[in-house]
Amino acid sequence: DTAVSQTPKYLVTQMGNDKSIKCEQNLGHDTMYWYKQDSKKFLKIMFSYNNKELIINETVPNRFSPKSPDKAHLNLHINSLELGDSAVYFCASRQSRAGWESTDTQYFGPGTRLTVL
Amino acid sequence: SQQGEEDPQALSIQEGENATMNCSYKTSINNLQWYRQNSGRGLVHLILIRSNEREKHSGRLRVTLDTSKKSSSLLITASRAADTASYFCATDHERGFKTIFGAGTRLFVKA
Repeated sequence: DTAVSQTPKYLVTQMGNDKSIKCEQNLGHDTMYWYKQDSKKFLKIMFSYNNKELIINETVPNRFSPKSPDKAHLNLHINSLELGDSAVYFCASRQSRAGWESTDTQYFGPGTRLTVL
Repeated sequence: SQQGEEDPQALSIQEGENATMNCSYKTSINNLQWYRQNSGRGLVHLILIRSNEREKHSGRLRVTLDTSKKSSSLLITASRAADTASYFCATDHERGFKTIFGAGTRLFVKA
């Protein structure tokens, strides 16, 4: 069984459209993330959610709206797509810990390659 | 600016040789992790080292962490062609809710 899954795997769309990417994890984790990897392979965190609550928003344009209907799902909706949004988007999850120094492994989905024409 | 900086950016070696990649970061961390990404694929977790650990081994991998120098290294011993991939270090912050990745090292292992 896939631990972290994303759909779709590929997404090709026109500038100005609205699209969504879905993410699901079956690991029972309470924290989920969205990352963007650009054409130079640079990977940057966009959002993190813990127990359905937004924890981190890394100055992402408000055209990007994450939604977490439950702890196992974190979807990403993007409005008015722009050329610069073309990238690979990765979802990830991990189990948070109470201690400041204690974190567990983060598991990544296979990625969604978004191409905006 | 991004925390992690890795060097070298690219490394080409012969099968059987060792490969060493370095990572530096700027502020205090919870933990540091290394990931591998094969071309066109997702990230695979290799090893996590906690901020109170100095060295960790996993199979052919050896990771060191020097918090005084804010640096880490990943050593892959007896490399194989299948080790060809990009390797990223990632530092955990804000109790793990924020992970910052380095730019990555592209490793080419020639058979």
